[in-house]
Amino acid sequence: GEDVEQSLFLSVREGDSSVINCTYTDSSSTYLYWYKQEPGAGLQLLTYIFSNMDMKQDQRLTVLLNKKDKHLSLRIADTQTGDSAIYFCAESRPGGYNKLIFGAGTRLAVHP
Amino acid sequence: EAGVAQSPRYKIIEKRQSVAFWCNPISGHATLYWYQQILGQGPKLLIQFQNNGVVDDSQLPKDRFSAERLKGVDSTLKIQPAKLEDSAVYLCASSLTQGGGWETQYFGPGTRLLVL
Repeated sequence: GEDVEQSLFLSVREGDSSVINCTYTDSSSTYLYWYKQEPGAGLQLLTYIFSNMDMKQDQRLTVLLNKKDKHLSLRIADTQTGDSAIYFCAESRPGGYNKLIFGAGTRLAVHP
Repeated sequence: EAGVAQSPRYKIIEKRQSVAFWCNPISGHATLYWYQQILGQGPKLLIQFQNNGVVDDSQLPKDRFSAERLKGVDSTLKIQPAKLEDSAVYLCASSLTQGGGWETQYFGPGTRLLVL
C-alpha cells in the first residue's frame, strides 16, 4: 500500500532527546524527508536524506535510515519548548514528478 | 524572499455550495502543488503543475474539484459542489523546477475549509 506510518504522539521533558520514528513502504524511494508543522502554519522542511545514506546530522537533528527495514528516525537533541509541533515523515518515489507521500504526523509535546 | 501566499485563510460554507482558493507561489518557481490535509492525517497531493501544464492529477476528485494555473504563476483550486468530507486544510506548495526528489517544496500557510 501507500501508507507511511508514524506513531501519533510523543511527550518529552525539556532538555532531553526526542526520537520520532517512521516506517515507509517503497524500498525504491529515493529521498526521505522530515517536515515540521506548527499550529496554523504550513509545513517547513527540516531535513532530508538520500536513500544511499545511513545517517545525516544537522546541528541538533540526526536522521537515521535503515533501508533494509524501511525505517527512518529523527532525533532532536536538547529538545526545547519551541520544538513542540507535528513532525511529518515523507518519501519521494522515483519516476514520478517529485511526488511526496506523507505519514499522518507525530505530535511532539515538550514539557518543563 | 516572499513565501507562498494563500487566500483566504479560513472559509466556512454549506454543503453543495462552491468555493475557490488562491495560491501565489514563490517568484520563479515552475512547479506548483495543491495538497489536501484532513484533520489527523498527512497532506495528500491533489494536483501538480509544471508551469501551466498538469503533470499529476491522479488523486483529484474531478467530478467536483478543478484547478488551473494560468500563465504559469498563480493558481486557483475550486470545489463545486462541496461535500462534508471536503472539510480540510488546503495547502499550496511550490518548487523551483520539477527536479529530482531532493528538491525542496515550500509550503504556504494553507486555507482551512469547513463544510457544514
